[in-house]
Amino acid sequence: SQKIEQNSEALNIQEGKTATLTCNYTNYSPAYLQWYRQDPGRGPVFLLLIRENEKEKRKERLKVTFDTTLKQSLFHITASQPADSATYLCALDLFMDTGRRALTFGSGTRLQVQP
Amino acid sequence: EPEVTQTPSHQVTQMGQEVILRCVPISNHLYFYWYRQILGQKVEFLVSFYNNEISEKSEIFDDQFSVERPDGSNFTLKIRSTKLEDSAMYFCASSDTGATSSGNTIYFGEGSWLTVV
Repeated sequence: SQKIEQNSEALNIQEGKTATLTCNYTNYSPAYLQWYRQDPGRGPVFLLLIRENEKEKRKERLKVTFDTTLKQSLFHITASQPADSATYLCALDLFMDTGRRALTFGSGTRLQVQP
Repeated sequence: EPEVTQTPSHQVTQMGQEVILRCVPISNHLYFYWYRQILGQKVEFLVSFYNNEISEKSEIFDDQFSVERPDGSNFTLKIRSTKLEDSAMYFCASSDTGATSSGNTIYFGEGSWLTVV
């Protein structure tokens, strides 16, 4: 069956360091992959989308890579700040039993940036 | 910036009662979704809706659940006879494209926290 796995339930780093979060998927070849941020008690907020023909995407201090051979995406936050502390979710369009697709989330990685 | 709004923010209901959660999607969006998140667990897809009908639904979305777009702005989720395990945060979302090769970025509301007692 198709799966999305986010390594590390939690990640603690020092302010100023680079945070690297991992998303792996199995039994699927997605056309694109997305990353969202979720704060406690709030809805997910879209950050970045990367397509299968893109190796890397950047937005300010955020960088996403997409390796379709390894079936893996890495999400980097450079010069991390305490305000970056949140849960980060990767998401893919996975096939439902209907045979159609729906955006499906991984379980998330909780990032804590220590001042 | 346009946003998805949801009401109520929190509802407590007795087991067996019907609940309607309401959402106003972003005005020019055509695709609407409901997701839920049980406390401490991941965000789970329930249903997507396009052109006044359900596009996809997950195995969670059984006969107890229904969705409706009663007018041009609202999108509702109804749970007919709530169970204790329905307690969760329910997120409404919308997008201007569907699940295509171009990517459907989804915009979420702040959620409706449902507690079934």
